[in-house]
Formats: sequence, structure tokens, C-alpha cells
Amino acid sequence: SAVISQKPSRDICQRGTSLTIQCQVDSQVTMMFWYRQQPGQSLTLIATANQGSEATYESGFVIDKFPISRPNLTFSTLTVSNMSPEDSSIYLCSVGRAPLNTEAFFGQGTRLTVV
Amino acid sequence: AQTVTQSQPEMSVQEAETVTLSCTYDTSESDYYLFWYKQPPSRQMILVIRQEAYKQQNATENRFSVNFQKAAKSFSLKISDSQLGDAAMYFCAYKGGYYGGSQGNLIFGKGTKLSVKP
Repeated sequence: SAVISQKPSRDICQRGTSLTIQCQVDSQVTMMFWYRQQPGQSLTLIATANQGSEATYESGFVIDKFPISRPNLTFSTLTVSNMSPEDSSIYLCSVGRAPLNTEAFFGQGTRLTVV
Repeated sequence: AQTVTQSQPEMSVQEAETVTLSCTYDTSESDYYLFWYKQPPSRQMILVIRQEAYKQQNATENRFSVNFQKAAKSFSLKISDSQLGDAAMYFCAYKGGYYGGSQGNLIFGKGTKLSVKP
């Protein structure tokens, strides 16, 4: 299994500001995934972060709003930019079980509240 | 595109009883994986059980078992001898097979909130 450390665990931010969420994995992984879970809702994929290339964003999510970095095989960041109250959600990073990604492991999530 | 449907927003079970959570999915792929995840108030997504589509035998993990009906595209979760600690949101999830081009991300249903009554 993979152990994922996600920081911060929660934050309260002012609208118009940005927050960067960090995701550290205890082993090297090719793909890292960022999900958003709006209050009372399911998980929706924001983007897939592949080391050494630009992140791939899902429909409805854009790089200017959710820039992602993937500097190496164990670390990634997701930034929520120019926040509004609608961005209040839980953000989770996830990795797959190598080599075929037959199982997903999740960080503990970041609960973001925008006021 | 693949979809996952959980038709029960909330379920309730008496402690020590058995409960079944429903999940259906839609896909044109033949190689895929199905999962049940548990999310307690702590937000941590915990894998409950996994099923490979190519396996006919239903997966079991202690008190948790699935009824996988591939032709019907149904994947229900049965929790036996329910415990207070089983109370949580349960998400059914789908992942395409690696050789089908899946990147490894999961597609989730909307979830079922399970309450356990003492």
C-alpha cells in the first residue's frame, strides 16, 4: 500500500486568496490524481498529474484556477486560486497501486472553507 | 462514458443485522475494477472491498461481501453483523482496466449514507 500525507488538513481562507495543498507519497508513483468533494457530494476528478508533463484537466476545471505541480515522483501540489465560497470543498489526492493501478489510495483530504 | 449509480441516498440498519447497499454501473469495457469505499466523518477514504471484472467469484473481506452481476452491471455490498463503526458514507467506484487506456482514476457514485442503530 501507499501512505499519503496531505497538508493542510483544513483551512479557512478569505475570498480572492489562493491556497496550495501538498500531497506527499511514501513511494514513487507515476500518476497522482486530485479530486474535489463538494459538501454532501461525491468525488469529482479535477486533474491527473503525471511527473514530467503538464497535468490533464477534466471538463469544467482549468489550469488557471487549479494549477498543479508535479516536481518529482513522490510529491504534488494543487493550488486553488482566486477563491470564492463555491470553492469550499474537500480536496483529496490519490495514487494508484503500481504497476497497473488496480487500487487507489487516498490522502486524508483537505477541508477548505472560503469566507 | 462510464457512469456509476447509487440509488439509495441513505440506509439504516440495526446493530448486528445485515444490510445491502446497491450500485449499478455502465461501461462498454470488458476489463475493469469495481470498488466500495467507506468515508467516515474523518474524511479518509477507506477501501472496503475490490472486485476484478474478469473474476466470476464474488469478493469477500470478513463481514463485507459483494454480489457482482456482470451481465446486469450490478455490484452490491453486503455488510453482515453490522457494527456501530460501520456508520459512514459508502461510495461505489469504477476504474477502467490498464490495457484499456485507463489512467487510473476512479469514477464514483453519489454515495449512500449508512446509519447503524444500537
